[in-house]
Amino acid sequence: SQQGEEDPQALSIQEGENATMNCSYKTSINNLQWYRQNSGRGLVHLILIRSNEREKHSGRLRVTLDTSKKSSSLLITASRAADTASYFCATDGGNQFYFGTGTSLTVIP
Amino acid sequence: DAGVIQSPRHEVTEMGQEVTLRCKPISGHDYLFWYRQTMMRGLELLIYFNNNVPIDDSGMPEDRFSAKMPNASFSTLKIQPSEPRDSAVYFCASRDQGAYTEAFFGQGTRLTVV
Repeated sequence: SQQGEEDPQALSIQEGENATMNCSYKTSINNLQWYRQNSGRGLVHLILIRSNEREKHSGRLRVTLDTSKKSSSLLITASRAADTASYFCATDGGNQFYFGTGTSLTVIP
Repeated sequence: DAGVIQSPRHEVTEMGQEVTLRCKPISGHDYLFWYRQTMMRGLELLIYFNNNVPIDDSGMPEDRFSAKMPNASFSTLKIQPSEPRDSAVYFCASRDQGAYTEAFFGQGTRLTVV
């Protein structure tokens, strides 16, 4: 399988805390993307990091990429109850996306 | 643009029946993807098209599954005959040409085969 794997599978934190999710993948990539999925909805793109980048920021999101270890992490700072969702990494080898198994994040108000 | 549009949103059918899922990608997007999501297997890529041509269908689970894209604005995923294990949420997504583009997902079709 070319799917990535996220860990942890589930994460529960208090509002205001930071949430960190990790993604490991198997193949060489052009870029890696993170998506969010609210219950019963489609996936929504959050952030893209290119294979030659090591870190990228967007608002409260911070993504790192280590191509030598084939891993990435997503940090959400100052979490809010509205951040409750599942988060997926997606590896982009040029045409198609392969998604990881997802991390279910619950932010407790 | 209204985004990627899938229909129906929910489908309940009896085992053995034919099921057709529909997708309208974002206008101008060159790639269209069909995914299946289940608790056990996560998000699986079933097939994808580039400029209406199927490129990789290695994820299609069985011959009971088929997908078409007759034009740039419409695609179907058909299951015939359907089985209870096909129950899942099926997503369609599209993306523009280019090395660093994102995928836009539809709301999904929740299929239940009883």
